[in-house]
Amino acid sequence: GAGVSQSPRYKVAKRGQDVALRCDPISGHVSLFWYQQALGQGPEFLTYFQNEAQLDKSGLPSDRFFAERPEGSVSTLKIQRTQQEDSAVYLCASTIAGEETQYFGPGTRLLVL
Amino acid sequence: AQSVTQPDIHITVSEGASLELRCNYSYGATPYLFWYVQSPGQGLQLLLKYFSGDTLVQGIKGFEAEFKRSQSSFNLRKPSVHWSDAAEYFCAVGRYSGGYNKLIFGAGTRLAVHP
Repeated sequence: GAGVSQSPRYKVAKRGQDVALRCDPISGHVSLFWYQQALGQGPEFLTYFQNEAQLDKSGLPSDRFFAERPEGSVSTLKIQRTQQEDSAVYLCASTIAGEETQYFGPGTRLLVL
Repeated sequence: AQSVTQPDIHITVSEGASLELRCNYSYGATPYLFWYVQSPGQGLQLLLKYFSGDTLVQGIKGFEAEFKRSQSSFNLRKPSVHWSDAAEYFCAVGRYSGGYNKLIFGAGTRLAVHP
């Protein structure tokens, strides 16, 4: 595709609900990243995939956060039992192997009430 | 630990005036440095990047940045600001390990442009 796409663009959840956020990377990009951007802050790294392998999940804030990329293309970030502190914009980025520049999607804005 | 500091949370300039956004980083090795811009409701768009070589790098939309190792800085500049430049600007350092770059971002500088 022309760029990284994410869906939904906006999500409102009640505290305790589970949510799933989707990322479609640029076609052919083997590397995929998830970042969390709290209001008024810069993005913070959550996790990294190379193809279907999750090589780094050091930024996931708790075991309620889970990410997968089963076929090495589309990725899903799942948050279980959402809390108010999970409210943020979740950004996905992709890049080709060996490329330093990450290309970002528009993000999903999650609001937990 | 690696970190990025953007000292100015908010800057206001007049259209046509020059601009400099400050960025200081803490990193043990030669860094990969980036400037991204984020407009409301949009993702991050890469303005420019520095990996090595010439310390003055040119980017899109008339922006440039200069890497100064002695000052651990990578300030973004534009000689004449346009109203459409109003946005949030993020400086980032790439922490390269295991074959990939984990980006560490500053808190951002919000730019307002007066007509």
